[in-house]
Amino acid sequence: AQSVAQPEDQVNVAEGNPLTVKCTYSVSGNPYLFWYVQYPNRGLQFLLKYITGDNLVKGSYGFEAEFNKSQTSFHLKKPSALVSDSALYFCAVRDPINTGGFKTIFGAGTRLFVKA
Amino acid sequence: SQTIHQWPATLVQPVGSPLSLECTVEGTSNPNLYWYRQAAGRGLQLLFYSVGIGQISSEVPQNLSASRPQDRQFILSSKKLLLSDSGFYLCAWITVLNTEAFFGQGTRLTVV
Repeated sequence: AQSVAQPEDQVNVAEGNPLTVKCTYSVSGNPYLFWYVQYPNRGLQFLLKYITGDNLVKGSYGFEAEFNKSQTSFHLKKPSALVSDSALYFCAVRDPINTGGFKTIFGAGTRLFVKA
Repeated sequence: SQTIHQWPATLVQPVGSPLSLECTVEGTSNPNLYWYRQAAGRGLQLLFYSVGIGQISSEVPQNLSASRPQDRQFILSSKKLLLSDSGFYLCAWITVLNTEAFFGQGTRLTVV
């Protein structure tokens, strides 16, 4: 089965500094990778995805992620963090199911704190 | 455009009482629907998924069940709630091409 790992429970960064939230994956075949963000007491919101093509994927709110096949990583990045970026971030992978469809498997999440 | 509705937003139920959480999707047909549970504001655990009416797959053994009586309706149920059923429950719809997921606003269930 496919899986993703987020090695950091929490990331702290000062406003205006670049941020990175790490994700590594384990898949068989070509990976479909995603990043989602969750604000308190809300559902998750899609940020970006990698399916194929350029290794650098741009998404919502100025976020981007770099797919690195040799390191099996898909780290989320932003050049300049905002206080409003403080939230819980999830890396996810698409996993095939035996009925022919797919399900999304999420990492444990990384809490991002951006300090003013 | 496609939207997903989930209700109620919050629920406080006594131990041993029944549960019914409803999720509906608009603007699409034959969606793949999912129930996740999030404990303590962290990782999401996939509980059930459904690829069509009456088709339910369970990921983990538990005190909950799911049903899909209509194409765009997905219900999470329990006959008797346990304290350990407390958590934040999220319904999700994943596009036909199985790319990004769209989530409902979630239901915070507290079993007392």
